[in-house]
Amino acid sequence: AQTVTQSQPEMSVQEAETVTLSCTYDTSESDYYLFWYKQPPSRQMILVIRQEAYKQQNATENRFSVNFQKAAKSFSLKISDSQLGDAAMYFCAYRSASNFGNEKLTFGTGTRLTIIP
Amino acid sequence: GAVVSQHPSRVICKSGTSVKIECRSLDFQATTMFWYRQFPKKSLMLMATSNEGSKATYEQGVEKDKFLINHASLTLSTLTVTSAHPEDSSFYICSAREAGGSIQYFGAGTRLSVL
Repeated sequence: AQTVTQSQPEMSVQEAETVTLSCTYDTSESDYYLFWYKQPPSRQMILVIRQEAYKQQNATENRFSVNFQKAAKSFSLKISDSQLGDAAMYFCAYRSASNFGNEKLTFGTGTRLTIIP
Repeated sequence: GAVVSQHPSRVICKSGTSVKIECRSLDFQATTMFWYRQFPKKSLMLMATSNEGSKATYEQGVEKDKFLINHASLTLSTLTVTSAHPEDSSFYICSAREAGGSIQYFGAGTRLSVL
């Protein structure tokens, strides 16, 4: 079974600075997807960024980028120019791509990010 | 991005009653929908996966007779908590994925309080 580990329960960053959230995972599969979801106080889960394991290039979405290290099974999220609206719980998630059907997401335990004005 | 609507956002009920939560994909056809439960300050726990027109697949430890899931159309799945008890009080979240897609889009969640 796959596992996702987020070793930082809480992080804080000064507004406009850069912060990196860590995520490691364990799998025996070679084809999979990795995601970062954000859950603000409203509790609406919002997709931040997605990475396909077969792609070597790291995904980027505006101020959000990932450092995907497949051999190390590491998938960190970098938030540049942090804004107050980035304050949320961030979840790293894994999904198998090997069989199309009922693939479920395996979530990490989350990292609560606080933005300091 | 795709929109998933979940209703109600909050429900308070008496112990022993049943509660139905709806999850709708508004601008795409959701062949697969997922139901999660989230305890305070915890991660999401998958309860079950439903495919349109077929029986839901429940995760280990989830009582299928207690948490009835119906996915009757490509845009609607429902979760019914039967004979709710205070220990069923929680935050329930649905998500939906369209055919061939890799992304799950989430509803805003339902906070259930059983008195």
